[in-house]
Amino acid sequence: SYVLTQPPSVSVAPGQTARITCGGNNIGSNSVHWYQQKPGQAPVLVVHDDSDRPSGIPERISGSNSGNTATLAISRVEAGDEADYYCQVWDSSSDHWVFGGGTKLTVL
Amino acid sequence: QVQLEESGGGVVQPGRSLRISCAASGFTFSDYAMHWVRQAPGKGLEWVAVISYDDRDKYYADSVKGRFTISRDNSKNTLYLEMSSLRGEDTAVYYCARDYIAGAGTSPSYFDYWGQGTLVTVSS
Repeated sequence: SYVLTQPPSVSVAPGQTARITCGGNNIGSNSVHWYQQKPGQAPVLVVHDDSDRPSGIPERISGSNSGNTATLAISRVEAGDEADYYCQVWDSSSDHWVFGGGTKLTVL
Repeated sequence: QVQLEESGGGVVQPGRSLRISCAASGFTFSDYAMHWVRQAPGKGLEWVAVISYDDRDKYYADSVKGRFTISRDNSKNTLYLEMSSLRGEDTAVYYCARDYIAGAGTSPSYFDYWGQGTLVTVSS
């Protein structure tokens, strides 16, 4: 089955840009979606179809996808951005939905 | 507004069965495919199962195939997950999530709304 690889943790100072990667074999040919999950809460969709934001998601959050890596970028990071972030694709070979292992974003 | 509310979780012994539910409101339930996604304590998200809007197509993760059954009642706006032969590794918070489209397993899709989850603990 298709495997998505994320770094376990990313740390960034307030005001800087955080970049969270999601690696997969030729992931650039898939649509990648990203979710934010804060402690004790349900996940929230923050980016779909590589780079589209649902309504209510700030423009500071953006996504890109090419080759073997998709990236979620959060600019002007704030304390409120501390959360776990998960990438997700649909695997056409199995009709399964696949998540990356998740990345914990820490704001220093 | 879209609301999804899970219920039915609890403590169950290994090998036993449990059914959890998800009540939907704020949208036309019968227009959307629906999923179950779980999260073991301190772990990441794992997709469990999906059902198409019309109940015709269902797909399961390999880890639950043959033990779990997803179903829906569009007249009651409710999604179900019947879990049997439960194991310790099934212990998790179970979330229901709405697919942004109607079909299941027919095209790339994502989860646009999630419930708050219900905790299932498998323990003797």
